[in-house]
Amino acid sequence: LAKTTQPISMDSYEGQEVNITCSHNNIATNDYITWYQQFPSQGPRFIIQGYKTKVTNEVASLFIPADRKSSTLSLPRVSLSDTAVYYCLVGDADTGRRALTFGSGTRLQVQP
Amino acid sequence: DAMVIQNPRYQVTQFGKPVTLSCSQTLNHNVMYWYQQKSSQAPKLLFHYYDKDFNNEADTPDNFQSRRPNTSFCFLDIRSPGLGDAAMYLCATSRDRERGDTQYFGPGTRLTVL
Repeated sequence: LAKTTQPISMDSYEGQEVNITCSHNNIATNDYITWYQQFPSQGPRFIIQGYKTKVTNEVASLFIPADRKSSTLSLPRVSLSDTAVYYCLVGDADTGRRALTFGSGTRLQVQP
Repeated sequence: DAMVIQNPRYQVTQFGKPVTLSCSQTLNHNVMYWYQQKSSQAPKLLFHYYDKDFNNEADTPDNFQSRRPNTSFCFLDIRSPGLGDAAMYLCATSRDRERGDTQYFGPGTRLTVL
């Protein structure tokens, strides 16, 4: 199965930019990269999705290098409410499955 | 405004007593998923329905079953819950199964097994 590798945890302070990198060496040619955010006792929430280069929405930016073997979620000026677990998902290059496998996620702690 | 609704939010059952969790959606999506999420772990896909077509994950125990009587509703049945089945159960939907389709998650049902 395709695997994603993310840092287990990150700490930041309010107002800082946070960058979370996900490694996905086995990504298939036509796979998208999707990031979800999950707060305690809630379901994951879609943040952003991209295929290549850069994608930006009102919440975050997603940077994808040309080889697409990694991606970086960028959260500008985080606040306490951004404390959550962030998951990176890609498809399964071996079986061609869609992005249904969650990696371990990155637990972001934002402090005052 | 709710799009994926799960009932109940909290469910307590006894060891071995069958339990059913419910999910409904107002998005008219073709695909509905059930995930199990244990404490401090990532969600793990149990199975999904693509319209009426049931797709089970290879490592999902037989103890877990699902029904989708119509587009809007999907149920998770745990025939004989064990202590190890205590977890958050998440329902999700997507418009289709294309690689770029986003999944929309419900708030989850936290199952306690006594």
